[in-house]
Amino acid sequence: DAGVTQSPTHLIKTRGQQVTLRCSPKSGHDTVSWYQQALGQGPQFIFQYYEEEERQRGNFPDRFSGHQFPNYSSELNVNALLLGDSALYLCASSSGPGQGAHGYTFGSGTRLTVV
Amino acid sequence: RKEVEQDPGPFNVPEGATVAFNCTYSNSASQSFFWYRQDCRKEPKLLMSVYSSGNEDGRFTAQLNRASQYISLLIRDSKLSDSATYLCAGGSQGNLIFGKGTKLSVKP
Repeated sequence: DAGVTQSPTHLIKTRGQQVTLRCSPKSGHDTVSWYQQALGQGPQFIFQYYEEEERQRGNFPDRFSGHQFPNYSSELNVNALLLGDSALYLCASSSGPGQGAHGYTFGSGTRLTVV
Repeated sequence: RKEVEQDPGPFNVPEGATVAFNCTYSNSASQSFFWYRQDCRKEPKLLMSVYSSGNEDGRFTAQLNRASQYISLLIRDSKLSDSATYLCAGGSQGNLIFGKGTKLSVKP
């Protein structure tokens, strides 16, 4: 039974470019949450998708957008990349939007470097 | 004030030592609390949920004090393999707020 899978594992982009990161939830899960973890910091909540809609959003600018597909997989898009967007991007899935109360299991993440 | 604050660390301890981490939270609406372990350049992995009644798993004990708004993690008889960063997290409604993490190095 595959857990949460993310792609790509590593990515290098130039300032101003756009990037798309992908996440496939664990089998049986229908909710995907995205987190950004900068070096030396804890993960910060970006947003959560359920039933193909953004249900909750953290304190991130509109440059960060997402999408959820009918098969529950999700994409995170970041436009106009800044150097400060360099981070580990983590995806977590759950069964229902409130199930984070049981603790999330994260995918192995995508390490984005903006140069 | 950050919503979740942890001991700054790093903690450097000898094998066999007992080490305690504390974490305070400011959002009284937080309903669930967790400790995560994160190895270098890896994703955080759920270590334990934290309950008011206390939660023990082998050498690890977690405790929640809602009145004082802090959670703790105690590691007894520390092993070299316990070296990692420990993150506390609290949340409600499905999203978690993490502390910055405390780095633990266990030395022989």
